[in-house]
Amino acid sequence: DAKTTQPTSMDCAEGRAANLPCNHSTISGNEYVYWYRQIHSQGPQYIIHGLKNNETNEMASLIITEDRKSSTLILPHATLRDTAVYYCIVSYGQNFVFGPGTRLSVLP
Amino acid sequence: NAGVTQTPKFQVLKTGQSMTLQCAQDMNHEYMSWYRQDPGMGLRLIHYSVGAGITDQGEVPNGYNVSRSTTEDFPLRLLSAAPSQTSVYFCASSSNLGPYEQYFGPGTRLTVT
Repeated sequence: DAKTTQPTSMDCAEGRAANLPCNHSTISGNEYVYWYRQIHSQGPQYIIHGLKNNETNEMASLIITEDRKSSTLILPHATLRDTAVYYCIVSYGQNFVFGPGTRLSVLP
Repeated sequence: NAGVTQTPKFQVLKTGQSMTLQCAQDMNHEYMSWYRQDPGMGLRLIHYSVGAGITDQGEVPNGYNVSRSTTEDFPLRLLSAAPSQTSVYFCASSSNLGPYEQYFGPGTRLTVT
């Protein structure tokens, strides 16, 4: 079973920040938090990962709480092309366990 | 770089037929894996390989075989197709150096009638 819990779906207005939460209360000290997304039926696309510190790249920011039991993926200015299923994955190794993810709908 | 490529994109099989799904990557990644995705669900790991000559089972390996004779290729064989194997299949690859940014192929949509 997936080690993460995410809301089933969320809406976001175009141009606004999309904040996607993820709970991972059983995370171990050496496990990373990864975020991927799947647009329509394409292969999942890597977004960002983190261990303890907050991370930012050209796509998104990742905020991890100090106790590491939850995290938030932030898309700072959501566009219609960000409509996708977003997966939060906690893993030490390369064998990922995917949950059902959050379906984000960006609305015009 | 082409990244991870999969062929075919679509396939229809009859129950009992066998076939091979092809996966190739040109990033010199040691790790390769196969997932299946059923409607409305997340991906589930079928088989994986951490290098040429090394394979292992994932969460749902029954009915599938794999081999890894080269770094580039990781074919998935369906031995005797069943309707329960109707799914979308994704291949992925990554370096063996963590943390693991995995690259996924575009998928093969398989229907077994």
